Amino acid sequence: DTEVTQTPKHLVMGMTNKKSLKCEQHMGHRAMYWYKQKAKKPPELMFVYSYEKLSINESVPSRFSPECPNSSLLNLHLHALQPEDSALYLCASSQASDRMPEAFFGQGTRLTVV
Amino acid sequence: AQSVTQLDSQVPVFEEAPVELRCNYSSSVSVYLFWYVQYPNQGLQLLLKYLSGSTLVKGINGFEAEFNKSQTSFHLRKPSVHISDTAEYFCAVRRDYNFNKFYFGSGTKLNVKP
Repeated sequence: DTEVTQTPKHLVMGMTNKKSLKCEQHMGHRAMYWYKQKAKKPPELMFVYSYEKLSINESVPSRFSPECPNSSLLNLHLHALQPEDSALYLCASSQASDRMPEAFFGQGTRLTVV
Repeated sequence: AQSVTQLDSQVPVFEEAPVELRCNYSSSVSVYLFWYVQYPNQGLQLLLKYLSGSTLVKGINGFEAEFNKSQTSFHLRKPSVHISDTAEYFCAVRRDYNFNKFYFGSGTKLNVKP
């Protein structure tokens, strides 16, 4: 199983709503990532979890709150977002291996903030 | 820090013609190199990777890439493209498997015309 599964695929939320994005992988990867991607741009790193601990936070606003409940799951909690936060949110995972160092990506959640 | 430059933002090409997408990186240490493809509203899919050894690597869908250490390049090639190859292509580097950060180029949109 080389899949990273993200739910939901699409999400529309108001600026006062609270919602969560979910990501799951069963490849035994110990690093998991959240990326934000705007149209016609490369993925922009938001957070990295390594062995279930937050290891990288790329100065992301506090209205985005990541959580890693266990080694297979990664959540991104959203609260009081702005319209400019509308984007494709990608989850990825990777392992610490010199034979398979690549990142595996989910299909993304298309978020629209209204 | 690493950086990745994709010299062409768009590459138009006719079906069955060859194509080369260019990627240059800067790094003072050895890195892992990757090419990813992204179809509209989807996640990133790994095309191929360079870890070490042979400088010519073959990937999925008939793509190949050549690692050139002296020119710090990792250009992607396909001898004959199909309409279905129309997509965004991203070059990426990772410093080593203990460092959980991937650096992406700005992307190249391959537009295959009939």
